[in-house]
Amino acid sequence: DAGVTQSPTHLIKTRGQQVTLRCSPKSGHDTVSWYQQALGQGPQFIFQYYEEEERQRGNFPDRFSGHQFPNYSSELNVNALLLGDSALYLCASSPPIFYGYTFGSGTRLTVV
Amino acid sequence: SQQGEEDPQALSIQEGENATMNCSYKTSINNLQWYRQNSGRGLVHLILIRSNEREKHSGRLRVTLDTSKKSSSLLITASRAADTASYFCATDPSKGFSGGYNKLIFGAGTRLAVHP
Repeated sequence: DAGVTQSPTHLIKTRGQQVTLRCSPKSGHDTVSWYQQALGQGPQFIFQYYEEEERQRGNFPDRFSGHQFPNYSSELNVNALLLGDSALYLCASSPPIFYGYTFGSGTRLTVV
Repeated sequence: SQQGEEDPQALSIQEGENATMNCSYKTSINNLQWYRQNSGRGLVHLILIRSNEREKHSGRLRVTLDTSKKSSSLLITASRAADTASYFCATDPSKGFSGGYNKLIFGAGTRLAVHP
């Protein structure tokens, strides 16, 4: 049983560019959340998707947007990249009855 | 903003010793969870303790929760080199049965090093 799959693993982008990160949740999970983790810090909540709608959002600007598809997979889009967007982006999925998140291995984004 | 604050920031012990990490938080919670992260990769869920529970065990892990002091502790007994990782507490501030509304607030973590 595959866990949470994220792609790509690593990504290097230039300031001002746009990026799309992808996530496939664990089988049986219907909720997908995205987190940003800066080096040496704990993950910060970006937003959460459920039934193809954004249900909750953290303190991130509108440059961060997302989508959830009917098969529960999700995308995170970041526009107008800044150097400060360099971080590990983690996708986490959870089942209808919550008992904890299953995290993917993350996408390491470097903005130069 | 981060609600959970882990203490200590770093911990170095020998194999076989016990490791204790503490977490304090600021607001009322639905549950508190502990996660492990190896080498900056994905987090692994260790244990969830609900606000009406005081202690929980899972293998070599023991978690306590004191809601009156807004604090939790994670004890790893008989530590192994493979336990070397960063450990994070995460609080869920949602009220009642949230059924998926589980926005977690993480602390900065404790870096545990277990030496053979």
